[in-house]
Amino acid sequence: SQQGEEDPQALSIQEGENATMNCSYKTSINNLQWYRQNSGRGLVHLILIRSNEREKHSGRLRVTLDTSKKSSSLLITASRAADTASYFCATVHLQGAQKLVFGQGTRLTINP
Amino acid sequence: DVKVTQSSRYLVKRTGEKVFLECVQDMDHENMFWYRQDPGLGLRLIYFSYDVKMKEKGDIPEGYSVSREKKERFSLILESASTNQTSMYLCASSVQGVRTEKLFFGSGTQLSVL
Repeated sequence: SQQGEEDPQALSIQEGENATMNCSYKTSINNLQWYRQNSGRGLVHLILIRSNEREKHSGRLRVTLDTSKKSSSLLITASRAADTASYFCATVHLQGAQKLVFGQGTRLTINP
Repeated sequence: DVKVTQSSRYLVKRTGEKVFLECVQDMDHENMFWYRQDPGLGLRLIYFSYDVKMKEKGDIPEGYSVSREKKERFSLILESASTNQTSMYLCASSVQGVRTEKLFFGSGTQLSVL
């Protein structure tokens, strides 16, 4: 399976702390994307990082990509209660059809 | 903003019924996708379409079919609903291929098959 794997499956931290989620994948990718999902809702795109990029920032989000280790991390700095959600990484692989393959997600809870 | 609209937030159907899930996007996107989401399994691709009247199977197409008669509309059809098709169904669209573009998702349809 090409499916990515997020780690940890669940994370609970205090408001103001930083949250780090990791994603690993198995085959070479074109790009990797992170999405957020509030409970019972659709997914919202957060950030896209291409295979030739190592780091991207967007507001309080920082994404890194290590293609040699086939892994990525999403860092949320200065977390807020509103960041409580599930976070998914999704990969577009070099071989095969152009489709996003999602991991199972990390459930992040920010405690006030 | 791009809007992807799924016709129902919640649906309850009986085993054996034919079920239609409708999805409409308003930004002239070429590509549309149907995923299902189940606890512990993440999102799995059912079908996708890169153009009108064109469809391609995803990873779990069995028991489903799709229709794309107009560019803005992508319908998922459960020919004979079964209890193992109880799930959250998510529609998505993108301007071009996912090698360069993100997906825009609808709010989802929670389908229960009794």
